[in-house]
Amino acid sequence: DGGITQSPKYLFRKEGQNVTLSCEQNLNHDAMYWYRQDPGQGLRLIYYSQIVNDFQKGDIAEGYSVSREKKESFPLTVTSAQKNPTAFYLCASSIEFKPQHFGDGTRLSIL
Amino acid sequence: AQSVTQLDSHVSVSEGTPVLLRCNYSSSYSPSLFWYVQHPNKGLQLLLKYTSAATLVKGINGFEAEFKKSETSFHLTKPSAHMSDAAEYFCVVSDLGGFKTIFGAGTRLFVKA
Repeated sequence: DGGITQSPKYLFRKEGQNVTLSCEQNLNHDAMYWYRQDPGQGLRLIYYSQIVNDFQKGDIAEGYSVSREKKESFPLTVTSAQKNPTAFYLCASSIEFKPQHFGDGTRLSIL
Repeated sequence: AQSVTQLDSHVSVSEGTPVLLRCNYSSSYSPSLFWYVQHPNKGLQLLLKYTSAATLVKGINGFEAEFKKSETSFHLTKPSAHMSDAAEYFCVVSDLGGFKTIFGAGTRLFVKA
């Protein structure tokens, strides 16, 4: 079955450390997205990519970086510049004119 | 500009009674509207979508929503709640292409036995 795989499911970060969250899709979707979810705040867009080798900042990109070297993969790096990284991170993908399809998320916590 | 407001942060119903989750939207053009459901520690699952066809949209698990342009509303309903419906629900508005997407803050549905 096609879908989106996010790994790991739980991740812990030490102070000053960069961590990378994986997102892989086999839906052949062109667009991919990263969201951050905090309690009571819905989803906020971090970065999105509409095509390979191109991506744009969303509403809260500071302290995060992404790459899109392959259509199937859109990893998110949470850098040490992100001072409050504890959150639930969701990856999604879509094709034009269709709703977004989501992975099961990665929960990031600070040690 | 687009925006979406979910009018209730929490809704509590008894099993077997109707569910109403309210959503108002704002859009400068004809929007696409969606409802998603999220169970704990899971991603979002699409319940239903409105894309300018029929104004009454039927979704999965017995849910439906009615698009009312005059009221700028897209409320989610279900005739009879089940315990498995307990989750968080998100109302979402996007442009026609689906790239510019705005999520509501969510409504947590509690179902009492």
